Amino acid sequence: EAAVTQSPRSKVAVTGGKVTLSCHQTNNHDYMYWYRQDTGHGLRLIHYSYVADSTEKGDIPDGYKASRPSQENFSLILELASLSQTAVYFCASSDVGLQDTQYFGPGTRLLVL
Amino acid sequence: QQQVRQSPQSLTVWEGETAILNCSYEDSTFNYFPWYQQFPGEGPALLISIRSVSDKKEDGRFTIFFNKREKKLSLHITDSQPGDSATYFCAASAGGNYKYVFGAGTRLKVIA
Repeated sequence: EAAVTQSPRSKVAVTGGKVTLSCHQTNNHDYMYWYRQDTGHGLRLIHYSYVADSTEKGDIPDGYKASRPSQENFSLILELASLSQTAVYFCASSDVGLQDTQYFGPGTRLLVL
Repeated sequence: QQQVRQSPQSLTVWEGETAILNCSYEDSTFNYFPWYQQFPGEGPALLISIRSVSDKKEDGRFTIFFNKREKKLSLHITDSQPGDSATYFCAASAGGNYKYVFGAGTRLKVIA
């Protein structure tokens, strides 16, 4: 049974529109992460959270917001989607800290037109 | 600026051969190096990891060799199987509250 799930699995959005990507984990982990994956860049950290109602900026936070309403749920919000945000987005969770093993969801493929 | 570099970008080997995937880094404070395996359509999953106090870590057919002086490490996959065909990411962390830095990945194809 998948411990980190993401929805939707794929989405087509229009430039300037609002996009919300959702992540749910049943690992009972404190840490959750949002990454984007682009060809040639590997995985880059957008936002992360180590406790509900608090989020931290990652390496590429510009153009993205995050929300952690509960330990299990972590959302990534694109208020004004742009073409450059076309990518695959992965959510992950880890138990104790940033260096702990991260468990990834299946990803969301986002296409901004 | 990529702090973690991987080579080659793609690699094709025959079944039974040893695949060698390379990784190098710039930041001398990095002390933990996990390798993640990603199959198409799935998220990455931890395969094997090593800490900088060790120079070798083995887990079945997968072995990491680590050279701290040269800031290089490599993942060796012996007796490669078609099921090993995936993208492999090398990552690095400085420990504590420092985040992972991922390389761009090596796409491995094993031909039967």
